[in-house]
Amino acid sequence: GQQVMQIPQYQHVQEGEDFTTYCNSSTTLSNIQWYKQRPGGHPVFLIQLVKSGEVKKQKRLTFQFGEAKKNSSLHITATQTTDVGTYFCAGHLNNQGGKLIFGQGTELSVKP
Amino acid sequence: DTGVSQDPRHKITKRGQNVTFRCDPISEHNRLYWYRQTLGQGPEFLTYFQNEAQLEKSRLLSDRFSAERPKGSFSTLEIQRTEQGDSAMYLCASSLREGQTGYTGELFFGEGSRLTVL
Repeated sequence: GQQVMQIPQYQHVQEGEDFTTYCNSSTTLSNIQWYKQRPGGHPVFLIQLVKSGEVKKQKRLTFQFGEAKKNSSLHITATQTTDVGTYFCAGHLNNQGGKLIFGQGTELSVKP
Repeated sequence: DTGVSQDPRHKITKRGQNVTFRCDPISEHNRLYWYRQTLGQGPEFLTYFQNEAQLEKSRLLSDRFSAERPKGSFSTLEIQRTEQGDSAMYLCASSLREGQTGYTGELFFGEGSRLTVL
């Protein structure tokens, strides 16, 4: 079954508002990746986090990896209509080689 | 185009028929993944290869599903005796194995093969 959980499932925001999606695992993750899937498209890689407590930024996007390496978050500041899509986290469960498990995703809609 | 390509893009079949999907990964990538995605869900792991070796297959996967990567390049995913519950988008992705950790780097996805079973 699904071992990587994401909340919320949906988020509707007004353009300019912030957005956060959370990713939680029941087991320690070796690393975590984030992907964005536009409507009708395929997942596209955004970033990978490896170290405990790591924080990375990409323009308005901030990614965090928890100290215990069991959770992660993606925060978007001042959303734009181009941010619309579904955001997925994906993690390597500890000591499970190349298998990459995806969360259910958070669908973001932005009202102009 | 040097990305991941999948064929066919769409397949409509009747229940009980066999279907086969093909994936051509990025040429220098040694890992190839198959995922299944249904509406509103995240990609569900099916199996992955490192070169020609199938290293893991989902325990949830029926034995009607089989995948091959005979020469470590392209891969095929076959579904035998299709059922309506097999209707989904089948995504292929390729990546490079990270040398020190053995984990997978960035996944590059194809556009997917959409299967509809009537």
